Amino acid sequence: DGGITQSPKYLFRKEGQNVTLSCEQNLNHDAMYWYRQDPGQGLRLIYYSQIVNDFQKGDIAEGYSVSREKKESFPLTVTSAQKNPTAFYLCASSMTGGETQYFGPGTRLLVL
Amino acid sequence: GNSVTQMEGPVTLSEEAFLTINCTYTATGYPSLFWYVQYPGEGLQLLLKATKADDKGSNKGFEATYRKETTSFHLEKGSVQVSDSAVYFCALINAGNNRKLIWGLGTSLAVNP
Repeated sequence: DGGITQSPKYLFRKEGQNVTLSCEQNLNHDAMYWYRQDPGQGLRLIYYSQIVNDFQKGDIAEGYSVSREKKESFPLTVTSAQKNPTAFYLCASSMTGGETQYFGPGTRLLVL
Repeated sequence: GNSVTQMEGPVTLSEEAFLTINCTYTATGYPSLFWYVQYPGEGLQLLLKATKADDKGSNKGFEATYRKETTSFHLEKGSVQVSDSAVYFCALINAGNNRKLIWGLGTSLAVNP
């Protein structure tokens, strides 16, 4: 079955630690996205990538980094510079020029 | 700029009640409009969409009509079920905005038996 997987489901970060969230898709989509969801704030775009080896900052990129070395993978690193990382992180993908985004199940990041 | 405004929740209904969740938008040109649903602890799923004025999107008993004259895309369902309890997001995508999705803040719906 085609879809998007995110791992882990829950992730705990210690003070000063970088953590990486995984996102993999087998939908053959060119575009991939990372969103952050906080209660009452809807979805905010962190980074997006329209093609392999290229990505752009979204609205809240500070404290985050990404890579896009393979079409099917778009990992997100939450760095120690992100002072308030506790949130639900959602990865999505879409066809090039497509309007519909398909979402993974999300990763909940908590700070110890 | 582009924006989406949804009615605030939470919305609480009894089973078999009629549901309306209001959504209005501001955009230049002719955006496409979407409703996504998020069940507890899960990611978002596309519920329905409409790509031009007067189009009606429908799925799982939910409907929404693209009204350009009122810049609205209200979500309706004639008879809700407990399983419809979720958060509903209205969104738009506009070719003039680098094709990024613009999201509403979401409306939480709780349906009681």
